[in-house]
Amino acid sequence: DAKTTQPPSMDCAEGRAANLPCNHSTISGNEYVYWYRQIHSQGPQYIIHGLKNNETNEMASLIITEDRKSSTLILPHATLRDTAVYYCIVRESHSGGYQKVTFGIGTKLQVIP
Amino acid sequence: KAGVTQTPRYLIKTRGQQVTLSCSPISGHRSVSWYQQTPGQGLQFLFEYFSETQRNKGNFPGRFSGRQFSNSRSEMNVSTLELGDSALYLCASSLGQGAYNEQFFGPGTRLTVL
Repeated sequence: DAKTTQPPSMDCAEGRAANLPCNHSTISGNEYVYWYRQIHSQGPQYIIHGLKNNETNEMASLIITEDRKSSTLILPHATLRDTAVYYCIVRESHSGGYQKVTFGIGTKLQVIP
Repeated sequence: KAGVTQTPRYLIKTRGQQVTLSCSPISGHRSVSWYQQTPGQGLQFLFEYFSETQRNKGNFPGRFSGRQFSNSRSEMNVSTLELGDSALYLCASSLGQGAYNEQFFGPGTRLTVL
């Protein structure tokens, strides 16, 4: 399994961009990078995912380095409601299409007014 | 479309007892995964079911087991409960297998073992 490493916590000023890094140096070619967030006492919420190209949706942007060993989740204009634990995970497909997921501890993002 | 539902939401048990948790995936989703979340360990993968078959299993003892029914609903069972089993148990569903399938999580069942 590819493992991920994230800083345990980060602060971001409201209205500024939040850049959350993730290291996945042992990622293999068929593994995707997924980001989820979990607001206190709720289940994790999907944010975005990518394989090797940068991705953008209405919630965030995902920047994956060319060697795919690290990625950055960008929340362009952080709000107080973005305060949550953000998980970077790597999902792989074994032969036969089975998926296995490994979650790390995540980064606790605190958006400051 | 209704989201992933889990029952019960809260549960209190004593050591040595067993417990069964239930998960109903989003309609049309065939893959169900279970996770344990504790403050110290974060989210840990328990197992995944697809088409009533366990496809993957995490590093948990045999006291943790599960099954999936033909309607894709899934149950997780923990026997001989230990204090360390106190956690939030999360269920996630996705359309199918493969890393391109987005997972949707339920609200979780909070289990307290006394």
